[in-house]
Amino acid sequence: DVKVTQSSRYLVKRTGEKVFLECVQDMDHENMFWYRQDPGLGLRLIYFSYDVKMKEKGDIPEGYSVSREKKERFSLILESASTNQTSMYLCASSSWGLAGDQETQYFGPGTRLLVL
Amino acid sequence: AQSVSQHNHHVILSEAASLELGCNYSYGGTVNLFWYVQYPGQHLQLLLKYFSGDPLVKGIKGFEAEFIKSKFSFNLRKPSVQWSDTAEYFCAVNAETTDSWGKFQFGAGTQVVVTP
Repeated sequence: DVKVTQSSRYLVKRTGEKVFLECVQDMDHENMFWYRQDPGLGLRLIYFSYDVKMKEKGDIPEGYSVSREKKERFSLILESASTNQTSMYLCASSSWGLAGDQETQYFGPGTRLLVL
Repeated sequence: AQSVSQHNHHVILSEAASLELGCNYSYGGTVNLFWYVQYPGQHLQLLLKYFSGDPLVKGIKGFEAEFIKSKFSFNLRKPSVQWSDTAEYFCAVNAETTDSWGKFQFGAGTQVVVTP
């Protein structure tokens, strides 16, 4: 079974703090993703990475950065947390299929972040 | 930019009723289509997916979905729901283009409540 783990289930931070969210997958997947999930908006892609040290902006990258130093680990960084970054953050990973298509994304349990 | 639209935000139905959730997407090229489910307190998991071939796909827990290319739709169905189907359901699309390479677009989600 694919396992995607996230470092914290709940996190409370203050405005202006630097926040690190960690994600680890154990299936040697090439692709990793960070989303935020907000009621009525579904999942919105923040950043993704298809290889070590590679990163691509998603739909809402502003205020975030990422780091992928090892294949199994993908970190999301909030350089200076703001209240509008209060949300549920989901990490996912996937591999490339035999036909070159991206396969199913597997999700972690999520980190619920509250910024005060 | 591609978008994914889920028609209903909330659906309430009784056990044994039939369920159909609508999903439409805006991209006209080749797409990969997914339905994910999020049970209360649990992480997102894959219900079913369509990459190619038979447009009627069967997933876990008795769910199925039909891809109708001419209507840009991928509706989810279950003939007889159970209380345990109470969850939030997300449609997702991955378009096979260089712009969308590696990205999924998710719908806003449909919250389904099944009453005993």
